[in-house]
Amino acid sequence: GQQLNQSPQSMFIQEGEDVSMNCTSSSIFNTWLWYKQDPGEGPVLLIALYKAGELTSNGRLTAQFGITRKDSFLNISASIPSDVGIYFCAGQDQGAQKLVFGQGTRLTINP
Amino acid sequence: ETGVTQTPRHLVMGMTNKKSLKCEQHLGHNAMYWYKQSAKKPLELMFVYSLEERVENNSVPSRFSPECPNSSHLFLHLHTLQPEDSALYLCASSQVHGGYTDTQYFGPGTRLTVL
Repeated sequence: GQQLNQSPQSMFIQEGEDVSMNCTSSSIFNTWLWYKQDPGEGPVLLIALYKAGELTSNGRLTAQFGITRKDSFLNISASIPSDVGIYFCAGQDQGAQKLVFGQGTRLTINP
Repeated sequence: ETGVTQTPRHLVMGMTNKKSLKCEQHLGHNAMYWYKQSAKKPLELMFVYSLEERVENNSVPSRFSPECPNSSHLFLHLHTLQPEDSALYLCASSQVHGGYTDTQYFGPGTRLTVL
């Protein structure tokens, strides 16, 4: 079946640093999604990407849909303490109702 | 209430108990989903309901029984669970149109512990 490889699995950074994480797939997706999950809560959608090559920003977050349609990355600039959490990528085929999730990247920030 | 809500937020049950998880979406969506999230594992899709019909059952054991009485409500009935069923159970909803599914929005989850 389809699998997503998300890396890194965990990151420990200093407040103010930039963060970069990515997802790669063995197959093509038509939509890439990035979610953030806080402890004890459900995932919250951060950015949705619908077109190969698309670069989209949401405040300090920037995500790109790879031109091969098999990868995506998420960057966070000037990290702050509230950025702590687990970030998940997810891929979706057009017409499919299933999301394929990555394993998540756990972000820890030292003040 | 807005978005997707789930009750209860926490549940502890014995292996012989019967309980139900409830999900309600206030987004006007026509598809709802149950996911299981275990430690150190990717989110696992359990069930999909589209237009109130079950369209996906991802090889889930029969001790989990979903129910979708209308497009806004989704239940997961639990009976004779095992300790390995302890996990965070997440509900999501989306809008399906013309065979295409929009982005899924998640509820806060129910933390289930089976003793």
